[in-house]
Amino acid sequence: DAGVTQSPTHLIKTRGQQVTLRCSPISGHKSVSWYQQVLGQGPQFIFQYYEKEERGRGNFPDRFSARQFPNYSSELNVNALLLGDSALYLCASSLKGSGTNEKLFFGSGTQLSVL
Amino acid sequence: GQNIDQPTEMTATEGAIVQINCTYQTSGFNGLFWYQQHAGEAPTFLSYNVLDGLEEKGRFSSFLSRSKGYSYLLLKELQMKDSASYLCAVGPDSWGKLQFGAGTQVVVTP
Repeated sequence: DAGVTQSPTHLIKTRGQQVTLRCSPISGHKSVSWYQQVLGQGPQFIFQYYEKEERGRGNFPDRFSARQFPNYSSELNVNALLLGDSALYLCASSLKGSGTNEKLFFGSGTQLSVL
Repeated sequence: GQNIDQPTEMTATEGAIVQINCTYQTSGFNGLFWYQQHAGEAPTFLSYNVLDGLEEKGRFSSFLSRSKGYSYLLLKELQMKDSASYLCAVGPDSWGKLQFGAGTQVVVTP
């Protein structure tokens, strides 16, 4: 079975541009979460979507948005890019996304560099 | 809120044992995860504890004490490929959030 897939693997953008990152969860998983990981730190929660609805949002500005499609894949959009948005963006897949015995599995990530 | 603490770095020699401690403070608890992350790669799932006690999986074991807000990851028979960052995480909460520590960089030397 395929794991969590993310695209693209690497991306270079300039300040002010917009970017769209994509994620496909593990088959049968209905929840997708997005995390931002800056070098030397642990991943920081951005969003979680379950059954196409936003369940939770972390402490990120409105420039960050996401959506989940009927097939449970998801997109993360970031507008008006800043240098500080340079990071590894991780997508995590799980069955329901919350509660006990709910394990999250991560994709390989998208490395975004903003110049 | 949640606060998760783990040491920044640990060094050990090949074949040895290393124990990585994690302490947490949380308003709710749905489980504790350990992930391994090699430089430039995504975290890979190592273990999950929701009940007190020790979970053993090959060379890796994880322990949890909910009353003490404490967990450790034990790596036995260290190999060079075990050099990586090890992330402790608590959750997911009702919003779906996993709260991560900053990670412990383990360096295995010959």
